[in-house]
Amino acid sequence: GQNIDQPTEMTATEGAIVQINCTYQTSGFNGLFWYQQHAGEAPTFLSYNVLDGLEEKGRFSSFLSRSKGYSYLLLKELQMKDSASYLCAVRGKAAGNKLTFGGGTRVLVKP
Amino acid sequence: DTEVTQTPKHLVMGMTNKKSLKCEQHMGHRAMYWYKQKAKKPPELMFVYSYEKLSINESVPSRFSPECPNSSLLNLHLHALQPEDSALYLCASSQDHGTGYGYTFGSGTRLTVV
Repeated sequence: GQNIDQPTEMTATEGAIVQINCTYQTSGFNGLFWYQQHAGEAPTFLSYNVLDGLEEKGRFSSFLSRSKGYSYLLLKELQMKDSASYLCAVRGKAAGNKLTFGGGTRVLVKP
Repeated sequence: DTEVTQTPKHLVMGMTNKKSLKCEQHMGHRAMYWYKQKAKKPPELMFVYSYEKLSINESVPSRFSPECPNSSLLNLHLHALQPEDSALYLCASSQDHGTGYGYTFGSGTRLTVV
C-alpha cells in the first residue's frame, strides 16, 4: 500500500516562513500533490511534483526528492488566511494510480 | 467553467431513506471521484470513474452505489445508511486518471444520518 507521514500540527507567526515535511512510501511513484483545506471546506490544489526539484508558485513552493521519498511545502510571508490544514497526497501506479492523502498538517498562523 | 458542483450542500436522512448525491463538471475531465471525509481526518477514496467506467471501488459497502450517466455527471446513491456514515462527501475530477495535474474538488455534501 501507500504510506504517507506528515506532522500533525505546526504554529508560526504572521510574516514568517513555515516548512511542512512529507515522507512517503509507494510503488510506482506517479506524482505528489499538496492541497490546502480550510475547516469545513473542500481541498484546493496547491502544487504538483513528479520530477525531483523545486516548484515555485508565488508564496508557496514545493520540493521533491524521489530517491528519499520526501517532499516539503514551503509557505513564505505567512498571512492569517494561511491558517488551514495542508494535505500531502501521493499517486502510485501499483495502487491503480489512485491519490492517497496523508493525515494533514494543521498550520496555525499567529499575529 | 472551472468548478465541480455538488448538490445538495447539506443532507439529513434517516436510516431507511434512499437519497442521491450529485456532482457535475464541465471542464472536459474524463476522471471523476468520490471521497469520504470525517472530521479532522484526510479524505478517503471511495470510487474512481475513468471514461465513464468504474475503475476503482475501495471495498465500499453496497449501501453506497455510484453511477456515472455521462462524462459530466457523477451520482452517489445512498440506501440504508448507518449513523457512522455521517461525513463530508467530496466529489473531484481530473483531466485523466493517472496523469497530469491535481484534482478539482467540489465543495462537498455534508451528510448526517439519523
